[in-house]
Amino acid sequence: DTGVSQNPRHKITKRGQNVTFRCDPISEHNRLYWYRQTLGQGPEFLTYFQNEAQLEKSRLLSDRFSAERPKGSFSTLEIQRTEQGDSAMYLCASSTGEPFVNQPQHFGDGTRLSIL
Amino acid sequence: SQKIEQNSEALNIQEGKTATLTCNYTNYSPAYLQWYRQDPGRGPVFLLLIRENEKEKRKERLKVTFDTTLKQSLFHITASQPADSATYLCALDMWHTGTASKLTFGTGTRLQVTL
Repeated sequence: DTGVSQNPRHKITKRGQNVTFRCDPISEHNRLYWYRQTLGQGPEFLTYFQNEAQLEKSRLLSDRFSAERPKGSFSTLEIQRTEQGDSAMYLCASSTGEPFVNQPQHFGDGTRLSIL
Repeated sequence: SQKIEQNSEALNIQEGKTATLTCNYTNYSPAYLQWYRQDPGRGPVFLLLIRENEKEKRKERLKVTFDTTLKQSLFHITASQPADSATYLCALDMWHTGTASKLTFGTGTRLQVTL
């Protein structure tokens, strides 16, 4: 079990630039989640994949955000035209599970995004 | 919408004592409730999951209780150690939205265990 891997660990960019983060889940996990966490807060749900299908997106996920999981393995989260408010830690998690069955989620250590 | 309340003030206890952390929620009772530990700069790490029909769950020095009448979960660490110092997050599933696997997290409680 190599765990959930996220790259890069840190990203500093200027406002208005596009950024892309990558998440490699635990290999046998069919579910993949993206969360956003700001200082002093718990993670907030952004979106969720079951295999390659994106099943749900939070209203927090504006049209500047897009996520993909093309082959049901790794996932990317892209933010276009970044804004100051996008500065946060972006966490990826994966889990096994049947539909409607809650399973523990395994988190990566996140990508910290800083917008200058 | 679901609100989850965890004590935002840090909990300071002495080594060897039992730490008790509280998680209260306001609306829908979850089918599952989970507790995670988070260290600075790291992602959350799963600790325990308890189902709505379970009153108590234990794992080594950890114990979780779940009271759907009070809409509350308590998380206990017995014989606490300095290595237990971290932020502890409570998370509820969102079954009532149709996605049981989606979690809503509380803000977490920071635990500091001193010698």
